[in-house]
Amino acid sequence: DVVMTQSPLSLPVTLGQPASISCRSSQSLVYSDGNTYLNWFQQRPGQSPRRLIYKVSNRDSGVPDRFSGSGSGTDFTLKISRVEAEDVGVYYCMQGTHWPLTWTFGQGTKVEIK
Amino acid sequence: QVQLVESGGGVVQPGRSLRLSCAASGFTFSSYGMHWVRQAPGKGLEWVAVIWYDGSNKYYADSVKGRFTISRDNSKNTLYLQMNSLRAEDTAVYYCARGIYCSSTSCSYGGDFDLWGRGTLVTVSS
Repeated sequence: DVVMTQSPLSLPVTLGQPASISCRSSQSLVYSDGNTYLNWFQQRPGQSPRRLIYKVSNRDSGVPDRFSGSGSGTDFTLKISRVEAEDVGVYYCMQGTHWPLTWTFGQGTKVEIK
Repeated sequence: QVQLVESGGGVVQPGRSLRLSCAASGFTFSSYGMHWVRQAPGKGLEWVAVIWYDGSNKYYADSVKGRFTISRDNSKNTLYLQMNSLRAEDTAVYYCARGIYCSSTSCSYGGDFDLWGRGTLVTVSS
C-alpha cells in the first residue's frame, strides 16, 4: 500500500509569514498517463474538507493565490506565501494515482497562529 | 446549487447495521463517480469506498471490505453506504465526495474530491 507521510504535523506560524508543508509518498505518484495525482485539502475547524490543489500544482477555483503546490515523483510541498487568520486548520495531502486499489491521505498538518 | 447532503447517521450497537444516504443536487449526478470518506473523532481522513458513475465498478478500503456496500440510484441522484457488522472503530463522521467525471466517450481523471458534503456522524456503541 502507498503510505503518505506529512511533515511537520504541527505548524505554528506568525500572521503574514510563509508556511510550508511537506508530503512524501512511499511510491512514485506518476501515473501511466504521465499525470501525477496528488491533491491538497484544507479542513478548517468544524468544517468539511475542501480541495485546494489538484494534480500537484493546479489551484481550485476560489482558492487564493497565496496557496501553491509543487513537487514530483514522491516529494511534494504545499506553500502558503503569507499566512492569514482564515488559513488556520488541518491540511492533508492525498494520492489518487494508485487507484482503484485505494486513495490515501497523509496524517494531516495542523496550522495554527503563534 | 451544487451540493451533497448526507443523512442516516446515528447511534448503533456493535454488530448492527446502518444505511447512509448522500443526496446530490445542482450537477449531473449520473456522470460522476462518488466516494465515501470517513473521519474518526479527532483523527485524520480515511477513504472508504468508491463507485463508478454507472455503478459498474466498486472498490473498498480493506478496513470495510466485506462489511460495507456502496451503491447508487441515478434516478434519485442519491448515493448510499450500507454498513453491516458495525464495530466501535467505525465510529466517525462519514462524508460523501464527488468523484471523476465521465462523458459518453472518456473520463477526466484527477478531478476527484472537488465537492464534499457536510458529513453525518455514526457512533457505534453499546
